Amino acid sequence: KAGVTQTPRYLIKTRGQQVTLSCSPISGHRSVSWYQQTPGQGLQFLFEYFSETQRNKGNFPGRFSGRQFSNSRSEMNVSTLELGDSALYLCASSHGTLQETQYFGPGTRLLVL
Amino acid sequence: AQSVTQLGSHVSVSEGALVLLRCNYSSSVPPYLFWYVQYPNQGLQLLLKYTSAATLVKGINGFEAEFKKSETSFHLTKPSAHMSDAAEYFCAVSGPTGANNLFFGTGTRLTVIP
Repeated sequence: KAGVTQTPRYLIKTRGQQVTLSCSPISGHRSVSWYQQTPGQGLQFLFEYFSETQRNKGNFPGRFSGRQFSNSRSEMNVSTLELGDSALYLCASSHGTLQETQYFGPGTRLLVL
Repeated sequence: AQSVTQLGSHVSVSEGALVLLRCNYSSSVPPYLFWYVQYPNQGLQLLLKYTSAATLVKGINGFEAEFKKSETSFHLTKPSAHMSDAAEYFCAVSGPTGANNLFFGTGTRLTVIP
């Protein structure tokens, strides 16, 4: 079974721009979670989508948003990029049962200049 | 509130020596605990998971972890380090009941010396 895939793998943007990242979960998984990883803050939870609905949200500003499609693929959008948004963005998928193991993709590395 | 603390941001061991990576947790409910490994430029790979079925949990690549409620610990061990074990290791605890997110520790970078 194919793993979680994320596109693109690398991205360079400038301040003020917006960016959209994509995540395709493992086949059959209905939950997709997004995490931000930075050297300073470590791994932080952004939000989780399950059956096209945001089910859980971390403590990030409204510039960070997401959505999920009927095929469970998910996108994450960051508007008005700031230098501090430079990070590795990881998505993880699971069947959606609470406290279940999450399987991570390789991440998208975003650099904001 | 859920949180984990990993003691030691860097650990170095000789090849063939015991690996011990420390993790202490705080949880308002019986925790689900995880260890993940991250190799350079890659995502996170699950090593093992504790779900209260057994206090000693065996994972992949020869790793295991023991849940000790009295010490609120979930330390990761491997009897004999291999060069391929060099990576960053993250301990995580599941979110509160009703949530499907993970709270991660700050990570421990393991170096294996030949």
